Amino acid sequence: AQSVTQLGSHVSVSEGALVLLRCNYSSSVPPYLFWYVQYPNQGLQLLLKYTTGATLVKGINGFEAEFKKSETSFHLTKPSAHMSDAAEYFCAVRQEGTYKYIFGTGTRLKVLA
Amino acid sequence: NAGVTQTPKFRILKIGQSMTLQCTQDMNHNYMYWYRQDPGMGLKLIYYSVGAGITDKGEVPNGYNVSRSTTEDFPLRLELAAPSQTSVYFCASIDRGQGTEAFFGQGTRLTVV
Repeated sequence: AQSVTQLGSHVSVSEGALVLLRCNYSSSVPPYLFWYVQYPNQGLQLLLKYTTGATLVKGINGFEAEFKKSETSFHLTKPSAHMSDAAEYFCAVRQEGTYKYIFGTGTRLKVLA
Repeated sequence: NAGVTQTPKFRILKIGQSMTLQCTQDMNHNYMYWYRQDPGMGLKLIYYSVGAGITDKGEVPNGYNVSRSTTEDFPLRLELAAPSQTSVYFCASIDRGQGTEAFFGQGTRLTVV
């Protein structure tokens, strides 16, 4: 069965520092992968997605992620953290052959002034 | 374009009471989903629907029921509320025809006391 693992339920970075949120997946076929962001008391909104093609995917708010098949990873990065990036981030994979989505347990990002 | 709309935003139920969480989308999406979100657990799929008249169970369907009489609406019914159903509930929809990202509602925060 496909699954998604997010390493680190809480990550703290200083404002201006690199943001790295880790996501590993398991899938027997090339997956569709997603990163969503959730601000307090709000729903989830799409940051970026990988379906096919270029393995480096750029999203909104300066975030990007790289699909690495050999490492079964889809880590999310941003070169310079901003206070407004404080939120919870979810990695997700579309279950093979279906339109069901499997979510990771989330990583809460804290940005320190 | 309102997207996915959930009502109510907050609700407190007593044990044994029933209620319906409403979800409607105006994007003519085929697929709709109900998730629950618990701290540190990510999102768990309760039920989903691939079109009007068709529903299926997700990971955690016990204690819930759904119906899909129209493309737009996908209500979630709790028949006998239990404290274990205290959670934040999210409705989402996906357009089968293009892209694969899910659009989420703002959530319903339910407390069962």
